[in-house]
Amino acid sequence: SQTIHQWPATLVQPVGSPLSLECTVEGTSNPNLYWYRQAAGRGLQLLFYSVGIGQISSEVPQNLSASRPQDRQFILSSKKLLLSDSSFYLCAWSVRDGTEAFFGQGTRLTVV
Amino acid sequence: DAKTTQPPSMDCAEGRAANLPCNHSTISGNEYVYWYRQIHSQGPQYIIHGLKNNETNEMASLIITEDRKSSTLILPHATLRDTAVYYCIVSLTGNQFYFGTGTSLTVIP
Repeated sequence: SQTIHQWPATLVQPVGSPLSLECTVEGTSNPNLYWYRQAAGRGLQLLFYSVGIGQISSEVPQNLSASRPQDRQFILSSKKLLLSDSSFYLCAWSVRDGTEAFFGQGTRLTVV
Repeated sequence: DAKTTQPPSMDCAEGRAANLPCNHSTISGNEYVYWYRQIHSQGPQYIIHGLKNNETNEMASLIITEDRKSSTLILPHATLRDTAVYYCIVSLTGNQFYFGTGTSLTVIP
């Protein structure tokens, strides 16, 4: 069966520090991969999606970036965090040409 | 860019059916209607999806109007564990999923 792993579950980082959140999927090949962000009390905002290794589409310009070094690995990064980057970050995957997306349990990031 | 409109909140008595509406008047012919729910501080969970016909699974039923401009998610016997934010999404298969703000459903004992 397919599983998605996202870590860490919670993270507290100082302003100006770098960020690296990792997401891996098991049990499937060539998945579509997604990074979402959810501010408190708000809906999910699509940040990045990827249809293959090295193929990243950005939905919202910001100081975040994403990379897909391996087929089932998706990384969300920042060189310098801002206070406004505090949010709940979710990774998701879907089968290529498939229907539903499957979400990880998320990382709650607090920038102090 | 979410292409759906949902009421921000609803209440439902435990054991009764919860009917959650969604308007998607600009849906295109090959876009599906998806429903997800998100329990507090967890990742969203897929519930059901459909194209034209009504659908039913072990979690819920999805009723899509004939013109496909709106749909209703039905939880037949709501329990306290169904308290969550419910998202209605329209999307092509294999494409990005854009979430709106959803409907916050509270099931009342």
